[in-house]
Amino acid sequence: DQQVKQNSPSLSVQEGRISILNCDYTNSMFDYFLWYKKYPAEGPTFLISISSIKDKNEDGRFTVFLNKSAKHLSLHIVPSQPGDSAVYFCAASVVAGNMLTFGGGTRLMVKP
Amino acid sequence: EAGVVQSPRYKIIEKKQPVAFWCNPISGHNTLYWYLQNLGQGPELLIRYENEEAVDDSQLPKDRFSAERLKGVDSTLKIQPAELGDSAVYLCASSSGDNSYNEQFFGPGTRLTVL
Repeated sequence: DQQVKQNSPSLSVQEGRISILNCDYTNSMFDYFLWYKKYPAEGPTFLISISSIKDKNEDGRFTVFLNKSAKHLSLHIVPSQPGDSAVYFCAASVVAGNMLTFGGGTRLMVKP
Repeated sequence: EAGVVQSPRYKIIEKKQPVAFWCNPISGHNTLYWYLQNLGQGPELLIRYENEEAVDDSQLPKDRFSAERLKGVDSTLKIQPAELGDSAVYLCASSSGDNSYNEQFFGPGTRLTVL
């Protein structure tokens, strides 16, 4: 049973436009959510996180939105740049620092 | 500051052979994690250490997998004997535990191919 799901395996966006990556979860005990970015042959790199007490967290071009009632979070990248092309994983945990449960990833391609 | 170091980066072995992976976390990070990542999937936790103590190893297949972190710093993950289905990327991560978000920092991983 996948507790964290990323239903879109890939997304293609034009440079300068908005990229929206989605993630759904089933475990209502999750209280901490993160997005990681992964380039080929490298480990995942932390991008942005959000605690369940918030519904939005912003860092530069990256914004994460959390809808607890829908058990849904999304990552917005504005404006998208070719260097953003990577695989993006959402992850969740019950307690910060504890086990992370990852989604399957979404491959983002930003076209120049 | 040096990141999480893993070696080797790539390993090819025949089935039934043993294999070991090494990880050196970021200096000062007390928590160390080993994850398994299959192709096209997200990482899955195998084991988590707080200093030298394994506090969560429920996902580690103990019949063939073992891990140690003897001095609470670097760690070794071993598979003996390896099976074809063990082909995957093995990721090590560490965190400091000194903030409410406890961001995990990942190493580059070891890509294992079992023939």
